[in-house]
Amino acid sequence: AQKVTQAQTEISVVEKEDVTLDCVYETRDTTYYLFWYKQPPSGELVFLIRRNSFDEQNEISGRYSWNFQKSTSSFNFTITASQVVDSAVYFCASLTDSWGKLQFGAGTQVVVTP
Amino acid sequence: DAGITQSPRHKVTETGTPVTLRCHQTENHRYMYWYRQDPGHGLRLIHYSYGVKDTDKGEVSDGYSVSRSKTEDFLLTLESATSSQTSVYFCAIAGADNQPQHFGDGTRLSIL
Repeated sequence: AQKVTQAQTEISVVEKEDVTLDCVYETRDTTYYLFWYKQPPSGELVFLIRRNSFDEQNEISGRYSWNFQKSTSSFNFTITASQVVDSAVYFCASLTDSWGKLQFGAGTQVVVTP
Repeated sequence: DAGITQSPRHKVTETGTPVTLRCHQTENHRYMYWYRQDPGHGLRLIHYSYGVKDTDKGEVSDGYSVSRSKTEDFLLTLESATSSQTSVYFCAIAGADNQPQHFGDGTRLSIL
């Protein structure tokens, strides 16, 4: 069975600090997909990134970067030079079966103060 | 934004009453999902659909049923609501089973 662990419940930083969110996944499948979603205080869920299990190339998109390491079953997410608008709950999720069923972690609340 | 509309957005009802939540999409996507969000649990899958009249159970399906008679509509029904079903419910759609799911704005349901 899949399992996604986000051990950090809440992270508080001051604006312009970097923040890294941890995500550890469990799966016995060789083909799987990993996702990050953002949920701002307004409540909607915003898709950020998808990675598949065959592509360990890390990615940078603006102030966001993702570090995928199969050896440690981790898919961590870093926000560089955080801003108040980054305050949100961030969810990591995995997908292994053929029906698109996502398994979500419990989420990490990021609080960025000015 | 993906064309997903959830209705109602908020509902308060009493224990034992039936409740139906609607998810409507304009993207013609094959896959549709219902999740519930509770503190400490992230989002958990209730039911999903992979086509018209094709549905199956998710992780927390007890007490819920679904129907999909048209591509664009996916209904979630609580036959007899209980207080444990107080939650925020999200609908999601996807064009393929490994593609990112796009979510509706959620329905906040309170059962007293």
